[in-house]
Amino acid sequence: AQSVTQPDIHITVSEGASLELRCNYSYGATPYLFWYVQSPGQGLQLLLKYFSGDTLVQGIKGFEAEFKRSQSSFNLRKPSVHWSDAAEYFCARNSGGYNKLIFGAGTRLAVHP
Amino acid sequence: DTGVSQDPRHKITKRGQNVTFRCDPISEHNRLYWYRQTLGQGPEFLTYFQNEAQLEKSRLLSDRFSAERPKGSFSTLEIQRTEQGDSAMYLCASSLSRDRGGRPADTQYFGPGTRLTVL
Repeated sequence: AQSVTQPDIHITVSEGASLELRCNYSYGATPYLFWYVQSPGQGLQLLLKYFSGDTLVQGIKGFEAEFKRSQSSFNLRKPSVHWSDAAEYFCARNSGGYNKLIFGAGTRLAVHP
Repeated sequence: DTGVSQDPRHKITKRGQNVTFRCDPISEHNRLYWYRQTLGQGPEFLTYFQNEAQLEKSRLLSDRFSAERPKGSFSTLEIQRTEQGDSAMYLCASSLSRDRGGRPADTQYFGPGTRLTVL
């Protein structure tokens, strides 16, 4: 079955430090890949997406992600984290069709001042 | 440009009661999805509609759950005879089925969710 794995449950970084959140997806047809962010008690906001083409995609709030087919990965990065980035981050892929998303379990990001 | 809205935002109910949630998608979106998210987990797919047709249901959607989208606009999700295990955040999302280039469009936009607590 298709799946998404986020190996890190919790990550803590200092404000101003760089960030990388890991995401691995199960192999299948060329996936559509997404990163969403969720603040406490809120719905999910789309940060960025990869459909095809350039493997480095830029998103909102200064985030970027790189699709690496050879590693089945789609890691999220930010060069300098702000305190307001503290939230939970979810990686997702399409199911193989275009009718649903499969999410990872999420990575909770804490930012120290 | 209004986003996806959900009502109510919070619902507390007693075990055995029925509850109904409403989702209003982005107006031009023909696809509407329901997901359930339990504490510490990512959202799990429940069902989706294209226009008024319910095209897929997850095994998570037991007989106590029913979803409708009668006119292809808003949708309701009803849970009958609620159980404590139904406590979760219920998320609604919407999307287009094709983008302007005719390609499959799978960017789903999520509402704020309805948090259900079953006592």
